[in-house]
Amino acid sequence: DAKTTQPPSMDCAEGRAANLPCNHSTISGNEYVYWYRQIHSQGPQYIIHGLKNNETNEMASLIITEDRKSSTLILPHATLRDTAVYYCIVRLLSNSGYALNFGKGTSLLVTP
Amino acid sequence: GAVVSQHPSWVICKSGTSVKIECRSLDFQATTMFWYRQFPKQSLMLMATSNEGSKATYEQGVEKDKFLINHASLTLSTLTVTSAHPEDSSFYICSAPGTSNSPLHFGNGTRLTVT
Repeated sequence: DAKTTQPPSMDCAEGRAANLPCNHSTISGNEYVYWYRQIHSQGPQYIIHGLKNNETNEMASLIITEDRKSSTLILPHATLRDTAVYYCIVRLLSNSGYALNFGKGTSLLVTP
Repeated sequence: GAVVSQHPSWVICKSGTSVKIECRSLDFQATTMFWYRQFPKQSLMLMATSNEGSKATYEQGVEKDKFLINHASLTLSTLTVTSAHPEDSSFYICSAPGTSNSPLHFGNGTRLTVT
């Protein structure tokens, strides 16, 4: 699986958009970009994933650059409950025998 | 959506005893489940892959005789930490894939403290 690089920490004011970047310059054509988050002392929570098109769901938007070497997770209106560690993971979609390899992620602090 | 239930959420045990952690897929079947360990302020590290009907596969450096995994059915995998030591104190998390195209779903973890 391709390696990802994320900033170790970010701050965001409550109500503002949180934009979390991820670099994955060695991504291959059939690898997807996944985003998970982990709130303190809980298991990781799936947020969103995508291949090359931008994706949006009720939690967030995922913007993937045209060359697919980087992506941005957008939380449109951050709340205090969005404070968590956010992990960007690149891997093949096929699931049956493949775990996710977590990097260090970005610790997002949403402030009042 | 798919839910993975993990039990207990926390446990305290004495050195030398064994602790069993259960991981259940509540509304789907999982032939494969994954067990992770997370030390404070560190990321999740994959320990082993649990396979229904066959032996678990362990990551390098994980002692299979110490961390016993049993995938008893299509909805249940258990991790038993045998002869626990204080250095085994950690946050243990299980996960399972849902449908063939869905991402992994995670349990809420088990905080193990060995005294």
